[in-house]
Amino acid sequence: QIQLVQSGPELKKPGESLKISCKASGYTFTDYAMQWVKQAPGKGLQYMGWINTQTGKPTYADDFKERFVFSLETSASTAYLQINNLKNEDTATYFCAPGEVPFAYWGQGTLVTVSS
Amino acid sequence: DIQMTQSPASLSASLGETVTIECRASEDIYNGLAWYQQKPGKSPQLLIYNANSLHTGVPSRFSGSGSGTQYSLKINSLQSEDVASYFCQQYYNYPTFGGGTKLELK
Repeated sequence: QIQLVQSGPELKKPGESLKISCKASGYTFTDYAMQWVKQAPGKGLQYMGWINTQTGKPTYADDFKERFVFSLETSASTAYLQINNLKNEDTATYFCAPGEVPFAYWGQGTLVTVSS
Repeated sequence: DIQMTQSPASLSASLGETVTIECRASEDIYNGLAWYQQKPGKSPQLLIYNANSLHTGVPSRFSGSGSGTQYSLKINSLQSEDVASYFCQQYYNYPTFGGGTKLELK
């Protein structure tokens, strides 16, 4: 069955960078794009964009065109979300989800806390 | 971007009751709408897609309806395991989510 396993929680200071991983199994990794969704504490869901797992081309939603980078390690069936120059407002849980919208499968989420 | 306005923001209901949650889109989304359930500390789970199609394995007490800009999720005979937050998502255009509805037991 399709599974997405994300890396563990992160505690970072403003200005630092981090890279979250999302390891997929149960399907051919390059068959589906990988999507990313942000959920700030106690808030709703915000679509961040997606990466084409065949070409590696990322597409970012407007709010995520600066400081956010989607990447792949196809040989390891893993997608990455890198956030540079972290800000307090990046504190959130980040989810990966393969395939087209709507999202039938989700990773378990990675909690990122940014605090000085 | 298409804005999704979801109501109510919170809801308290009794076991066995019927509950309705609504989403209004800022423009016609041609049934490109999904509903998700999210329990605390968990990832969202797909309930309904294409406005009224039940996702595999979802209990039949959940149903979706609507068209144009107005959509709703109905839960018949509320069960304790239905206590969760619910989100709508439009995918006719670049995906956007509603603000969510937190459902609690009365």
